[in-house]
Amino acid sequence: AQTVTQSQPEMSVQEAETVTLSCTYDTSENNYYLFWYKQPPSRQMILVIRQEAYKQQNATENRFSVNFQKAAKSFSLKISDSQLGDTAMYFCALIGANSKLTFGKGITLSVRP
Amino acid sequence: KAGVTQTPRYLIKTRGQQVTLSCSPISGHRSVSWYQQTPGQGLQFLFEYFSETQRNKGNFPGRFSGRQFSNSRSEMNVSTLELGDSALYLCASSLEGSGLFVAEAFFGQGTRLTVV
Repeated sequence: AQTVTQSQPEMSVQEAETVTLSCTYDTSENNYYLFWYKQPPSRQMILVIRQEAYKQQNATENRFSVNFQKAAKSFSLKISDSQLGDTAMYFCALIGANSKLTFGKGITLSVRP
Repeated sequence: KAGVTQTPRYLIKTRGQQVTLSCSPISGHRSVSWYQQTPGQGLQFLFEYFSETQRNKGNFPGRFSGRQFSNSRSEMNVSTLELGDSALYLCASSLEGSGLFVAEAFFGQGTRLTVV
């Protein structure tokens, strides 16, 4: 069975600062993908970034980057230069060979002006 | 390119009734998955369809069912509605991945179902 754990229910960050969201996971598979999704108040789930487990290099998308520690089964998201539009719920997710996305409970991020 | 479209956006039903939700995937996407989102349980996988066949199923009772049509559009049906079925139902579509698993999923805006 796959599990994804996000232990922080909410975080707050000042605009323009950097924040890191934590995620740990467990899976018995060797091949899998990890994702961070953003869900703003509009409810649309938006893919922020993805990481392929067999790639050692950490993924980066503009202000968003991950710290993928495969041995520790850790997958944290770093948001640099936080913007008001980053305020949303963020979900860590994993998908393996069974094509089923397993989500964490999510974390509510508030960016303060 | 149009995104994933879910209809209706909002729905209010009475206990015991049944409901059908619709999802139109991104053009060319063949995989459609459904998720239930509630404050207590978070996001839970319902089922996944690919080429009109259910490929995976989550741990939900048989009251929850779905199907996929030849144009990849999908419907999910919930019969004998219970208060606990009140949730946001999200649909996601994907291209078939590298043969091992589905690539990134694109989500619709969801259908908010309220059971009274």
